[in-house]
Amino acid sequence: DAGVTQSPTHLIKTRGQQVTLRCSPISGHKSVSWYQQVLGQGPQFIFQYYEKEERGRGNFPDRFSARQFPNYSSELNVNALLLGDSALYLCASSLEPGRDKEKLFFGSGTQLSVL
Amino acid sequence: GEDVEQSLFLSVREGDSSVINCTYTDSSSTYLYWYKQEPGAGLQLLTYIFSNMDMKQDKRLTVLLNKKDKHLSLRIADTQTGDSAIYFCAGGSYIPTFGRGTSLIVHP
Repeated sequence: DAGVTQSPTHLIKTRGQQVTLRCSPISGHKSVSWYQQVLGQGPQFIFQYYEKEERGRGNFPDRFSARQFPNYSSELNVNALLLGDSALYLCASSLEPGRDKEKLFFGSGTQLSVL
Repeated sequence: GEDVEQSLFLSVREGDSSVINCTYTDSSSTYLYWYKQEPGAGLQLLTYIFSNMDMKQDKRLTVLLNKKDKHLSLRIADTQTGDSAIYFCAGGSYIPTFGRGTSLIVHP
C-alpha cells in the first residue's frame, strides 16, 4: 500500500505569491493534518481535517487555508507568501482524530523556498 | 496546550545504548510518541506508549514513561550508524505537539 504522498516535493516562490500544496492520505485514513517544520525546529501544527470538516487549527495567520476533498485528499493554500514561510510542509494522515486512532503517518513533505 | 522539551544533541559510539529524554506538560495526553526523521525525509513513527503504561519494548527500542515527573525516554540498544537521525517526542490529548527534536550522532 502506498503511504502518504505529497506534491510537489520542492517549490520555489517569490514574496507575495500564492502556493497550493497537495496531499493524499493512506488508503482508509479519513483524517489529514498539516504541519510546518522550519529548519532546526519540530513540526508545528497548522490544520487538521476529518470528513471534510476542519477539526483543529494551529496558531497560523489567515493567509493559511486548507480543505479536504470527498476522497480524503487535502490541499494547503498559503497566500501572500513571506520569506518566513520557507519551510518543510508535512502532511500526516490518521484513521480518525482522537482516542486510539490518532497515530500520525507522515509524508516526505514539500520543501517550500520563498525568495 | 502541550509543551514538549528535548535536549538538542546526543553523541554515542556504535554498539552503545542511546537514551533520548523528553519532558511534557499535558498530563491528559492519551498517547506519547517517538518519531524519527532522516535528512530530507518526513517523520517515521518509531513507537508509542499509552499513557497508562510505564514501559514498552519493541526490539531494540525501549520506551519508559514516568507520569509523575512527566518524563518520557527512548532507549536504543546496540546503536548503529543507521540510527543517526533526529528523534522527536510528541504528545497531546488530541493533536500531537512535537518537541524540537534530538539529533543523534553515532560514530564508529
